[in-house]
Amino acid sequence: NAGVTQTPKFQVLKTGQSMTLQCAQDMNHEYMSWYRQDPGMGLRLIHYSVGAGITDQGEVPNGYNVSRSTTEDFPLRLLSAAPSQTSVYFCASNPGQPSRYEQYFGPGTRLTVT
Amino acid sequence: DQQVKQNSPSLSVQEGRISILNCDYTNSMFDYFLWYKKYPAEGPTFLISISSIKDKNEDGRFTVFLNKSAKHLSLHIVPSQPGDSAVYFCAASAIVLTGGGNKLTFGTGTQLKVEL
Repeated sequence: NAGVTQTPKFQVLKTGQSMTLQCAQDMNHEYMSWYRQDPGMGLRLIHYSVGAGITDQGEVPNGYNVSRSTTEDFPLRLLSAAPSQTSVYFCASNPGQPSRYEQYFGPGTRLTVT
Repeated sequence: DQQVKQNSPSLSVQEGRISILNCDYTNSMFDYFLWYKKYPAEGPTFLISISSIKDKNEDGRFTVFLNKSAKHLSLHIVPSQPGDSAVYFCAASAIVLTGGGNKLTFGTGTQLKVEL
């Protein structure tokens, strides 16, 4: 049981490039989310999904797209990278009731946009 | 607007003593609070939580206290151990997302260092 896995661990992009951050979980959790962590800002929700085929925006969705074609996978796409997207990105999953508050986080992807 | 605040970016404590990490919130609609622990190069891991209908929850060396009138919660670690050295985030939940999920609002974190 690997939990939540993320690839890559590190990535450097040039402004304007696109890429996809991968996230997978093997716990059959309904809910999955993407957060970004910036110094002095805590973790902020980018997008989330409540099940395969259902996604919605969090508090900082601009510049990112998501899709959820399977229960296991929840990739995050950066359409045209900007320096403001330099951050550490965490994917998380949650089993829903009765533990609907507790998130299980992946190890993170550190992204630098130059 | 930071709805969950951890005003101490860092805390240093001697091994065996008590560590007290504090968190303040402004949204009175928050109904559930959690603490997460994060080591370098790893994702946060869930530590302990408390519902707003309680004022204390205990799990081994970790106790969380909630003072709703002051909109304040604290995490007590007794006794502190070197392995407790990590960043601690408090988080609060109020909003039910489309589909029934809960959105967590995180504080900025406190770096705890437990010294020998």
